[in-house]
Amino acid sequence: EAGVAQSPRYKIIEKRQSVAFWCNPISGHATLYWYQQILGQGPKLLIQFQNNGVVDDSQLPKDRFSAERLKGVDSTLKIQPAKLEDSAVYLCASSLVGTRGTDTQYFGPGTRLTVL
Amino acid sequence: GDSVTQMEGPVTLSEEAFLTINCTYTATGYPSLFWYVQYPGEGLQLLLKATKADDKGSNKGFEATYRKETTSFHLEKGSVQVSDSAVYFCALSSGNTGKLIFGQGTTLQVKP
Repeated sequence: EAGVAQSPRYKIIEKRQSVAFWCNPISGHATLYWYQQILGQGPKLLIQFQNNGVVDDSQLPKDRFSAERLKGVDSTLKIQPAKLEDSAVYLCASSLVGTRGTDTQYFGPGTRLTVL
Repeated sequence: GDSVTQMEGPVTLSEEAFLTINCTYTATGYPSLFWYVQYPGEGLQLLLKATKADDKGSNKGFEATYRKETTSFHLEKGSVQVSDSAVYFCALSSGNTGKLIFGQGTTLQVKP
């Protein structure tokens, strides 16, 4: 079974530029999550999708971050414009149902973003 | 709001030593509790979980027991190996969304 795929693995940009990350969850998983992991910290949820609807985006800085999951499968997270403090690893995860707190989330390898 | 607190690292042990990584949580309701591990150069992967009070999760020689009375989920292993060197994250999932709230992570280094 293929795992969660993410691309690119690494990205370096200048501040005020834009960047996009892509995630393809495990086949059949209804719920998709984007987390931000700053160096030395645990991951923090940015946004959660159930199929193609948003369940939770309360921690997403909506003035610069956007995300979509148009067909309920893969997803794109965008930052425009980027700030220095956006330097982090962006993790995508998926789970079979998700709205049950007992479900296991499966994580992709992450995209390491460096903003100069 | 809900939160998770882990013991600070790094933790450095010799091979075959006993490991404990402390984790305590604050949550409304009845969360599920998880330990995730991140090996060098790899993504986060589930190590074990417990979904209700007094449950014990176990995997690869690691164990953790869900203690509601002390709001804790400490990770233990009787004899660590060099290959256990990694960053360990305690997390909880509460409510109906399945959202995970993570601790800050504890780095374990095992020396031969």
